[in-house]
Amino acid sequence: SQKIEQNSEALNIQEGKTATLTCNYTNYSPAYLQWYRQDPGRGPVFLLLIRENEKEKRKERLKVTFDTTLKQSLFHITASQPADSATYLCALDPDNYGQNFVFGPGTRLSVLP
Amino acid sequence: KAGVTQTPRYLIKTRGQQVTLSCSPISGHRSVSWYQQTPGQGLQFLFEYFSETQRNKGNFPGRFSGRQFSNSRSEMNVSTLELGDSALYLCASSRDRGLYEQYFGPGTRLTVT
Repeated sequence: SQKIEQNSEALNIQEGKTATLTCNYTNYSPAYLQWYRQDPGRGPVFLLLIRENEKEKRKERLKVTFDTTLKQSLFHITASQPADSATYLCALDPDNYGQNFVFGPGTRLSVLP
Repeated sequence: KAGVTQTPRYLIKTRGQQVTLSCSPISGHRSVSWYQQTPGQGLQFLFEYFSETQRNKGNFPGRFSGRQFSNSRSEMNVSTLELGDSALYLCASSRDRGLYEQYFGPGTRLTVT
């Protein structure tokens, strides 16, 4: 069956460290993958999109990798800050350009001061 | 540029009633998608509209329906409400279909009693 998983429901790290979140998928062949941030009671906010032919994408302190062989995407936040505390969601489009996004369950990140 | 707006923000309904939720996308965005978010099931795709046509539908019963108007504004309707329909309903817009990020609204919190 098709599924998308994120490594852990919750992750606690110390301020200044690098947070690494994992997104694994099964029985999908996405052409691209997206990462979103969601704060409590609010809608998700788009962070990064990475295509299947891109190994790595960066935006300020954020870095995303995409390994289609391992069927995995890694999301890194370097020099983490308490303000980075939120739930992070990965999403893929099974139809590739069909706008029919499947979201992972999310990882709730807490950055401790 | 104004973000995605959703009305109402909160709603309490009784089982058996019906409800209509409204979404105004970002100006110029033509694709509007709807999602249901619950603690147990996470973020689940309901349907997507583009050029006033439903392009994709998620695995939800026929009680869930929607439409899009010529100005890209969208509404979703849930008939014969059930307790399990209590959720955060999120609308997302994107400029076009495919490799475009989605911008989410704040959501409508629906409680069915």
